[in-house]
Amino acid sequence: GAGVSQSPSNKVTEKGKDVELRCDPISGHTALYWYRQSLGQGLEFLIYFQGNSAPDKSGLPSDRFSAERTGGSVSTLTIQRTQQEDSAVYLCASSLQGHHSYEQYFGPGTRLTVT
Amino acid sequence: DAKTTQPNSMESNEEEPVHLPCNHSTISGTDYIHWYRQLPSQGPEYVIHGLTSNVNNRMASLAIAEDRKSSTLILHRATLRDAAVYYCILRNGNQFYFGTGTSLTVIP
Repeated sequence: GAGVSQSPSNKVTEKGKDVELRCDPISGHTALYWYRQSLGQGLEFLIYFQGNSAPDKSGLPSDRFSAERTGGSVSTLTIQRTQQEDSAVYLCASSLQGHHSYEQYFGPGTRLTVT
Repeated sequence: DAKTTQPNSMESNEEEPVHLPCNHSTISGTDYIHWYRQLPSQGPEYVIHGLTSNVNNRMASLAIAEDRKSSTLILHRATLRDAAVYYCILRNGNQFYFGTGTSLTVIP
């Protein structure tokens, strides 16, 4: 079946511009996660959605970052007034449920470059 | 925070077993131990997970210490396609803490 998809695969933007990154999770998965990965680093948790519950935003690095999930499916991560330090690969993952025993399925990521 | 410690890198000869260690001394009783791997230019993929008992699946085995403060991922016969960064992860609330993982090189 279809896995997690993300778009765009690559995004180059100028410093100060806003960007939107999209994630389509696996159908039926109630949990959705956003991570970012800087070059040569591990994954940094950003935000977690579980069903209709309020999202866990504890990993968002600043108020320039926000995310929403419409209809319990597609999610959009928005970065306002981008900075060079925002350059990274942004990864989305979904899982059947949010319980920590369930595996996450990752998308291919969006590589963001801020010039 | 529940965190893990792994060696930065390891090497293995092709078709030999590989034992990837992980320390997680601050693990709590309800933390599952997860392993993911990330091939170059790809998102991470699930390998295996467990709670207390050793686990086996088609990809690997997971050996968990009796006190749960460490675990070992076992690849029974390393292939060139197993070259990747392997992450040992604990769940902390809603977050999976990935750390920097172990970069596995498989030598032909």
